[in-house]
Amino acid sequence: AQKITQTQPGMFVQEKEAVTLDCTYDTSDQSYGLFWYKQPSSGEMIFLIYQGSYDEQNATEGRYSLNFQKARKSANLVISASQLGDSAMYFCAMSRTGGGADGLTFGKGTHLIIQP
Amino acid sequence: EADIYQTPRYLVIGTGKKITLECSQTMGHDKMYWYQQDPGMELHLIHYSYGVNSTEKGDLSSESTVSRIRTEHFPLTLESARPSHTSQYLCASSESMSRYNSPLHFGNGTRLTVT
Repeated sequence: AQKITQTQPGMFVQEKEAVTLDCTYDTSDQSYGLFWYKQPSSGEMIFLIYQGSYDEQNATEGRYSLNFQKARKSANLVISASQLGDSAMYFCAMSRTGGGADGLTFGKGTHLIIQP
Repeated sequence: EADIYQTPRYLVIGTGKKITLECSQTMGHDKMYWYQQDPGMELHLIHYSYGVNSTEKGDLSSESTVSRIRTEHFPLTLESARPSHTSQYLCASSESMSRYNSPLHFGNGTRLTVT
């Protein structure tokens, strides 16, 4: 079974600073995917970025980048030049592999608050 | 852009009532999911479907049931709502091509309160 660990329940960051949200994962599989989602207070889940286990380069999407360190089983999300609108819950997730359901397994999330 | 819709957005209902949460997607995705999420907490998979007439239970035990008669429609039903069912319910879908790199596309969720 897969497990996602997010060790930062909450973070306060000044506007325009860069933010790193931590995520470690546990799996015995060789092929897997890692995802980050943003959940504003309105409740919807917004897909931000994806990293495949065989991707050699770190994924980037606009201000979001994923710092993927496979040997350490770490997939940290980096947000450059944070904005007030970045305040939200952020969830790290991993593709479910092996038997049973596919879809994603989620971590407990990090509540990010951007201060002016 | 994902097109997946959930209704109602908010629902307050009394104990013992039967409710159905609607979820529809227009992307033709075969795979659909229901997740349950308490406020500020992680998401737990409660049901999933790989296509028409396919339904399975997820990791978190739930008294709800689901059906998949049409590809685009994946409703969730509670026969007798209880206060312990108070939560947010998120519906999602994904492409069938790969198990590893398909993100889930979520609806806006239904916030259910049972009084």
